[in-house]
Amino acid sequence: GAGVSQTPSNKVTEKGKYVELRCDPISGHTALYWYRQSLGQGPEFLIYFQGTGAADDSGLPNDRFFAVRPEGSVSTLKIQRTERGDSAVYLCASSLGTATQETQYFGPGTRLLVL
Amino acid sequence: AQSVTQLGSHVSVSEGALVLLRCNYSSSVPPYLFWYVQYPNQGLQLLLKYTSAATLVKGINGFEAEFKKSETSFHLTKPSAHMSDAAEYFCAVSVGYSTLTFGKGTMLLVSP
Repeated sequence: GAGVSQTPSNKVTEKGKYVELRCDPISGHTALYWYRQSLGQGPEFLIYFQGTGAADDSGLPNDRFFAVRPEGSVSTLKIQRTERGDSAVYLCASSLGTATQETQYFGPGTRLLVL
Repeated sequence: AQSVTQLGSHVSVSEGALVLLRCNYSSSVPPYLFWYVQYPNQGLQLLLKYTSAATLVKGINGFEAEFKKSETSFHLTKPSAHMSDAAEYFCAVSVGYSTLTFGKGTMLLVSP
């Protein structure tokens, strides 16, 4: 079946611009996660959704970052007033539920470059 | 808070040699532990996970890992490396709820 998909695969923007990154989870998966992977680092948690609500957004670095999942499926990560330090690969993952041992399935990521 | 340390940002082995990638974790409660592999320009793929059922966990592609509570370790091994194993490997821990805390990763290089 189809895995997690993310669009766009690459995004180049200028400092100060607004960007939206989209994630389509595996059908039927109720939990959705966003991570950020900077060069040479492991992924870092940003936010996760159980259904439509953000269950934990403690990883969002500041109020320029926001994510939504209005219908409990597709999610959009929004970054306002982008900064060069936002350049990274943004990974989305989904799982059937939020039990601690549930396997998270990752998408290929969106590579964001802020000039 | 939990954390993961992966020793060695790069590990080089010859094809057919033993692969050993090290992972140590820190957690105040019993953890769940995961190994993921990332091939270039691809998403993370789960290799195996420890969920307290058995301390020796077998995964895909011939990999296995052993949970050692006394050493707070979860090292990944494979008896015989293959060229196709060249990739970046991430150890991750999850406690209390489902978000993952990852290590910095280890790049495995396999030479003929």
